[in-house]
Amino acid sequence: AQKITQTQPGMFVQEKEAVTLDCTYDTSDPSYGLFWYKQPSSGEMIFLIYQGSYDQQNATEGRYSLNFQKARKSANLVISASQLGDSAMYFCAMRGDSGGSNYKLTFGKGTLLTVNP
Amino acid sequence: KAGVTQTPRYLIKTRGQQVTLSCSPISGHRSVSWYQQTPGQGLQFLFEYFSETQRNKGNFPGRFSGRQFSNSRSEMNVSTLELGDSALYLCASSQLTGGGETQYFGPGTRLLVL
Repeated sequence: AQKITQTQPGMFVQEKEAVTLDCTYDTSDPSYGLFWYKQPSSGEMIFLIYQGSYDQQNATEGRYSLNFQKARKSANLVISASQLGDSAMYFCAMRGDSGGSNYKLTFGKGTLLTVNP
Repeated sequence: KAGVTQTPRYLIKTRGQQVTLSCSPISGHRSVSWYQQTPGQGLQFLFEYFSETQRNKGNFPGRFSGRQFSNSRSEMNVSTLELGDSALYLCASSQLTGGGETQYFGPGTRLLVL
């Protein structure tokens, strides 16, 4: 079984500052993918960044980077230079490679990020 | 390339009715998954279809069913609606299935059951 834990229900950050959203995971799959999604109040789930379990380097996409620590089973999202438009719910998710039920995306409960001007 | 589209965007039904939701994946994507999102339960996986075959199913009652057509478009049906079925239903597509495949989501269908 797969499990994602996001321990921060809400986070506040000042505009232009960096913020880290925490995510830990648990899986028995030797190969898996980790994802972060952003969900604004409109409801659409927007893909931000992907990290493969065998990737040697941390993933980066523009202002988003993923701090991947495999031994600690953590995959924290770092947003640099926060913008007002970054205010949204952020979900960490994982998808396994071993087949069957592990192919589905398993989500954490999310972190509501509020960017203050 | 057009994104994932879902229709309708909003729906109001009464208990006991049935509903069909539609999802068109990104062109070239063969895998379509459905998720239910509620404030209490969060995001829960319903099922995944790949090349017209159901590959995976979540822990939902048999009232929830789906199918995928040869053009990869997918429909989800809920029969005998209950109040608890009120939720945001999200459809996601990916080229293939597995850990390395990113799922891209549609805007969702908000279902309200009265």
